Amino acid sequence: EAGVAQSPRYKIIEKRQSVAFWCNPISGHATLYWYQQILGQGPKLLIQFQNNGVVDDSQLPKDRFSAERLKGVDSTLKIQPAKLEDSAVYLCASSFRQRNTEAFFGQGTRLTVV
Amino acid sequence: QKEVEQNSGPLSVPEGAIASLNCTYSDRVSQSFFWYRQYSGKSPELIMSIYSNGDKEDGRFTAQLNKASQYVSLLIRDSQPSDSATYLCAVNIRGAWNNDMRFGAGTRLTVKP
Repeated sequence: EAGVAQSPRYKIIEKRQSVAFWCNPISGHATLYWYQQILGQGPKLLIQFQNNGVVDDSQLPKDRFSAERLKGVDSTLKIQPAKLEDSAVYLCASSFRQRNTEAFFGQGTRLTVV
Repeated sequence: QKEVEQNSGPLSVPEGAIASLNCTYSDRVSQSFFWYRQYSGKSPELIMSIYSNGDKEDGRFTAQLNKASQYVSLLIRDSQPSDSATYLCAVNIRGAWNNDMRFGAGTRLTVKP
């Protein structure tokens, strides 16, 4: 079974530029998460989708971050404009269903904003 | 109070010893609990899940859950240098109806040969 796929693996951009990350979850997984992990900290949930609907985006900085999950499969996370403090690893995870199930992570995208 | 708290460590144990990692959570309705291992520069990898009070064993790993005390722990028996990693505790903070998983800051474990 293929795992969660993410791209790109690394990205370096200047502040005020925009960037987008892509995620393809495990086949059949209805729930998809985007996490931000700053060095030395645990992952912080940014947004959770159930199929193509948003379940929780309470911690998403909506003035600069946006995410979508068209057709309930792939998802993209965008940052525009980026700030220095956005430097982090962006992790995508998926789970089979919404309730009480394990989440599996992709390899992440390491973003550096200079 | 943070939703999920872990001792940040670092925790150092000799090879062959038992490593004990602890986690507390604030939301009493939480129903599911997970332990992830994260090697440096890698993404989190699920190692244990636990849903009921008591112990759950999987090889050298034992997860312990006490919902009354809002406490979950992970024991690693016969620790190996390859167990050196950061261990993340994750809790479903909204109970059974929504898998809103929140993480602790992680405990860095070093197993010395």
